[in-house]
Amino acid sequence: DTGVSQDPRHKITKRGQNVTFRCDPISEHNRLYWYRQTLGQGPEFLTYFQNEAQLEKSRLLSDRFSAERPKGSFSTLEIQRTEQGDSAMYLCASSLGGQHYEQYFGPGTRLTVT
Amino acid sequence: AQSVTQLDSHVSVSEGTPVLLRCNYSSSYSPSLFWYVQHPNKGLQLLLKYTSAATLVKGINGFEAEFKKSETSFHLTKPSAHMSDAAEYFCVVSELRRQLTFGSGTQLTVLP
Repeated sequence: DTGVSQDPRHKITKRGQNVTFRCDPISEHNRLYWYRQTLGQGPEFLTYFQNEAQLEKSRLLSDRFSAERPKGSFSTLEIQRTEQGDSAMYLCASSLGGQHYEQYFGPGTRLTVT
Repeated sequence: AQSVTQLDSHVSVSEGTPVLLRCNYSSSYSPSLFWYVQHPNKGLQLLLKYTSAATLVKGINGFEAEFKKSETSFHLTKPSAHMSDAAEYFCVVSELRRQLTFGSGTQLTVLP
């Protein structure tokens, strides 16, 4: 068990550019979650997958954001036409199941939009 | 709808003294409750969880929390603080919607 991994760990981009982040969950976990954390705040839910199906999206997830989990393994989160307000830590987590199962978090990808 | 309020944004204690981090929650259903810790430049780590079994929950590193339904509280305690406990702590609620709702965090400082 190598834990949840995320790539890259840091990304600096210019406003208007597209960025893509990758998350590799713990291998036997069928649920995968994306959160966003801004400075001084707790993480906020963005979206989650059960296997390859995206089951819920937060209102925070504007149409510039898209997430995929092909084949129910790794996931990608893409942000198109980045804005300065997108600067945040993007966290990925995975779990074995629903409400009662703890989520295991990756180290996060810190995005800075200049 | 579920929500969490962490009553203190910063708590400062001396090494060897007790720690109390306060959390109140709101939930329409029987919630699961968690405490996570976040050390600088490290990922979130689960300290403990409550899932409708025993109301007093023991976690890692000597932390424990008590679920009090009548008070809608889930306060985190530790009898004796250690320097390595300095970090940000998040109280978290989860109900039928499955995703976690985090509080705004409590920064714990441990003084020598």
